[in-house]
Amino acid sequence: DTAVSQTPKYLVTQMGNDKSIKCEQNLGHDTMYWYKQDSKKFLKIMFSYNNKELIINETVPNRFSPKSPDKAHLNLHINSLELGDSAVYFCASSPRGTSYNEQFFGPGTRLTVL
Amino acid sequence: AQSVTQPDIHITVSEGASLELRCNYSYGATPYLFWYVQSPGQGLQLLLKYFSGDTLVQGIKGFEAEFKRSQSSFNLRKPSVHWSDAAEYFCAVEDYGQNFVFGPGTRLSVLP
Repeated sequence: DTAVSQTPKYLVTQMGNDKSIKCEQNLGHDTMYWYKQDSKKFLKIMFSYNNKELIINETVPNRFSPKSPDKAHLNLHINSLELGDSAVYFCASSPRGTSYNEQFFGPGTRLTVL
Repeated sequence: AQSVTQPDIHITVSEGASLELRCNYSYGATPYLFWYVQSPGQGLQLLLKYFSGDTLVQGIKGFEAEFKRSQSSFNLRKPSVHWSDAAEYFCAVEDYGQNFVFGPGTRLSVLP
């Protein structure tokens, strides 16, 4: 069984469109994250949710809005897509509340904005 | 703010040779330390982690890492590299549940 899954795996769209990426984890974890990996492979955290509540919101344009309907899901909605949004987006989860914070990553969603 | 540096952007080794990937962090206390591997087109997989105790930690796939407080380093090693080890390697730091910071990554190429 897949622990952290993301859909879609690839997303190609035009500038100005609105798109969503879905993430689900079946690990029973309390905390979920979204990361952006740019073309140079640099990974940067965007958001962190603990039990459906936002706990980290790095400097990200407000065109990006995370939505957590329950603690197993954290979706990322992006409005008015721009060329610079092209990247690979990773979802991750961790068992916050334990003594450490190992993160489990999804396979990534490659977003290409034309 | 804490930071993680990986001085080597790209390393090439021959199959069977030993490997050391460097990682340095900047943080006031001893953070939790991780090494992840990303194979081409894949997500990140945890290789090993350090929280406390023995400064030499063993991970999966024959990797190990040594925490050196005096050098603020957490270098990853493997005695004999396999062609399947070619990937991107990320060092990461977590400050007691607050934030997770990744280094810029080191790309490993393996020559046959």
